[in-house]
Formats: sequence, C-alpha cells, structure tokens
Amino acid sequence: AQKITQTQPGMFVQEKEAVTLDCTYDTSDPSYGLFWYKQPSSGEMIFLIYQGSYDQQNATEGRYSLNFQKARKSANLVISASQLGDSAMYFCVDQFYFGTGTSLTVIP
Amino acid sequence: ETGVTQSPTHLIKTRGQQVTLRCSSQSGHNTVSWYQQALGQGPQFIFQYYREEENGRGNFPPRFSGLQFPNYSSELNVNALELDDSALYLCASSPRTENEKLFFGSGTQLSVL
Repeated sequence: AQKITQTQPGMFVQEKEAVTLDCTYDTSDPSYGLFWYKQPSSGEMIFLIYQGSYDQQNATEGRYSLNFQKARKSANLVISASQLGDSAMYFCVDQFYFGTGTSLTVIP
Repeated sequence: ETGVTQSPTHLIKTRGQQVTLRCSSQSGHNTVSWYQQALGQGPQFIFQYYREEENGRGNFPPRFSGLQFPNYSSELNVNALELDDSALYLCASSPRTENEKLFFGSGTQLSVL
C-alpha cells in the first residue's frame, strides 16, 4: 500500500526564492529512511537528499534541506535560492514506494 | 565506476507478446529494484532482488517476473502484454536492501500496441 503522500501536484517559485515541497509518510517500522529524488524532463532520476529516522539533525545537501518532523510524520524538502534548472518533478520516497510527485516550475 | 545501464532504450510490442528488459547494476551493488512509471505518474515499485532472491514485491500480477544473476545483473520479464503495460521501466541498484539511495538507469520505454 502507498505510504507516501505528496499533496502538491504543482508548485511555482520565483527564481532565487526558497520553496518547500511537502511529504508525509506512514510507517510502523521504527527504523526507516526517507529520500527525495528529482526527475527533470529528460527522465533521469537524480538523488537529492536522505533522512534517517534516527538522525538527530535535519539533513542538508547544498541548497537542499529537509524539514523533518517525526511526530507529524512529515519530511518536507526545502530548496533555497531556486534556479531555472530546478524545474522538474520531485518525488518523496521511502524504501520502496514513491509519492505521486510535485511538479516544480521556477519562474525567471 | 560503471553506472546502471538498461537495455533496450526503446521497445515496441503488440498486445499478448512477451518482453524481457535487462539491467546491469552499478559495480559493487548486490540489490536491484524495478519500477514502472506511466506517463505523468510516479514510479510504481514492481519488485526487488537481493543476491538472486526476490526481496519484496509491489502490487503487480504474476505475469511480471524477474531474475537476478550471480553478477547481480537483472531481467524483468512481462508475459501476455497489455496496453496498460506501456510505460517507462526503471531499474535501480543499491549496495544494500534498506535505507540506501538508489542509483537509477535511464530506463526502457515500452510501447504496447
């Protein structure tokens, strides 16, 4: 059964601004990990960031960071200083299952 | 370090036929996962293979089957093709079965006519 929920089918952000993409998850496994992947229109799947359930701090990778709230079962992706090349589909993923994705468009 | 490679890149079949898709995992990776991505949708998990054994399966019928070989390369077989099987099939490898990022191939675009 689908365990990942992304409620934003499409998002727009102005270039150089920050944007938050939402993800909630449902698992009874005490040890889990959550991933975010980016899929540009070219189709390749690009790993962005990972958060483990036991990690004490929110994950950060360059302009990408995770707002991880265990009690709310949310793992929102924050992209700072958006660039035109950030326009793509973004997927939140647990071990096997992808969310439905959010299409992000960066406006010049 | 060789990445994940999939073949063929494109394939056209007719309804009722059988198809085999191939995937070579990244060097050092013993786990391969297969996904089906219909146009405009997120990838759907088909199954995962770990050291030649199926390690998990999504909600796909038995006509979707797989193999993993001693060199950890993998095949996805689909029998009795249906029109709805038209999709991008993605293969991903990882060094372990859990909590490891997936390294994806470029996919095989299957069209069923």
